[in-house]
This record gives sequence, C-alpha cells and structure tokens, in this order.
Amino acid sequence: DGGITQSPKYLFRKEGQNVTLSCEQNLNHDAMYWYRQDPGQGLRLIYYSQIVNDFQKGDIAEGYSVSREKKESFPLTVTSAQKNPTAFYLCASTTSGGEYNEQFFGPGTRLTVL
Amino acid sequence: AQKITQTQPGMFVQEKEAVTLDCTYDTSDPSYGLFWYKQPSSGEMIFLIYQGSYDQQNATEGRYSLNFQKARKSANLVISASQLGDSAMYFCAMREGMDSSYKLIFGSGTRLLVRP
Repeated sequence: DGGITQSPKYLFRKEGQNVTLSCEQNLNHDAMYWYRQDPGQGLRLIYYSQIVNDFQKGDIAEGYSVSREKKESFPLTVTSAQKNPTAFYLCASTTSGGEYNEQFFGPGTRLTVL
Repeated sequence: AQKITQTQPGMFVQEKEAVTLDCTYDTSDPSYGLFWYKQPSSGEMIFLIYQGSYDQQNATEGRYSLNFQKARKSANLVISASQLGDSAMYFCAMREGMDSSYKLIFGSGTRLLVRP
C-alpha cells in the first residue's frame, strides 16, 4: 500500500545528543514537510522540500537540519542546539502543481528528551 | 498576527446532532486554499475537506461541509449527524497560493467531544 512511514514511533534522547527521525514515502510525491506539534497545540512547520536536493526553512528551523537526497526520503535531525526538543513530529508529503492536492501525513514520531 | 484563528479550544455535541467548528483566516493573497484535518488520539492527521478561494460553491464531503464566507474571511467546518468516532482534534489550515506544494499554516485546533 502507498503511504508515509515514520520511524521510530517513540524515541528517547539524552540531552546533548543528536537524533535523526526517518520519513519515507512511496506515493511519488514531489514535496515533503516536517512539522512539530506540542501538547494541545497546532502544527508548526520546521522544514520543507518541494524538490529533490532543495529545501527551505519553515517557522521553527533553529536546532534542526534536513536532507533531501532521494525523492522518497526526507530525514530530520534534531541537534543538540534545539533547546526543547520534546514533542510530536509529523512528516507529510504532497504532489506539486495542482490546487486540490492535500498533504498526506505519516503516523508521527514522539520524541522525549531525558 | 495569527493567520489562522480557531477560537473554540473545546466543543461538546450530542450524538446525531450537527456541530460547527469556527475558523477565521487572514491573508492579502487573492489565491489561497483552506483545509480541515482531523487528528484522533492516535496522532495521525486525516484530511477532511478543501476549499479554494475561487470556488463558487461551498465544499462538501459526505457529512462534512465547509461554510465559506470570503468577505468575512471565515471557513467554518460543519459536521452533520455527529458520531462517537468524530471525537478528535480538528485543525483548520491555509495555503497561500494555488500550488499544492506551498506550505500550510495551521490553527491551534478545536477538541470535539461527542456525547452518547
């Protein structure tokens, strides 16, 4: 089945460590996104990529890094520079060019800093 | 200034009744799209309905309809015949521009609880 997979589902990190969250899609979508969600709040955009080998910062990019070397993959690294990384992270993707295409979301990764 | 405002942190509705979830937006771009997503307690985001700024009619998808009032910059979600499974967080989102790859801006959400 086509869809978006995120791994791991739960991730625990010690302070000062970098961690990488995986996002893979087999929908042949051009654009991919990373969002952060804090408890009881909406989604905030971290980074997005509209095409392979290109990405743009979202509203809260500080302390995060991404790469887009393959169309189907958009990993997110949470660096030690991110002051408060405990949150729920959602990856999404969509096709480009049309008006009516919605973003499809993965199941999310819940990151906890110990 | 917030671009998407959802003023109802929480709502209750009786099963089988209709409910309206409010969403107002702010943009100077004449071309934009408005989305509603549902987020159950499991965390995944489920797309419900879309309304483009140039669409002449309100969007409908099954029990979901979007009450689009362009002059008032509102895009309220109406759920008819509520079901227990409708209990979830609901998010309104806006895309400025017509290309689907453009970024979305989300509101803070409304938690809906359907009472039996």
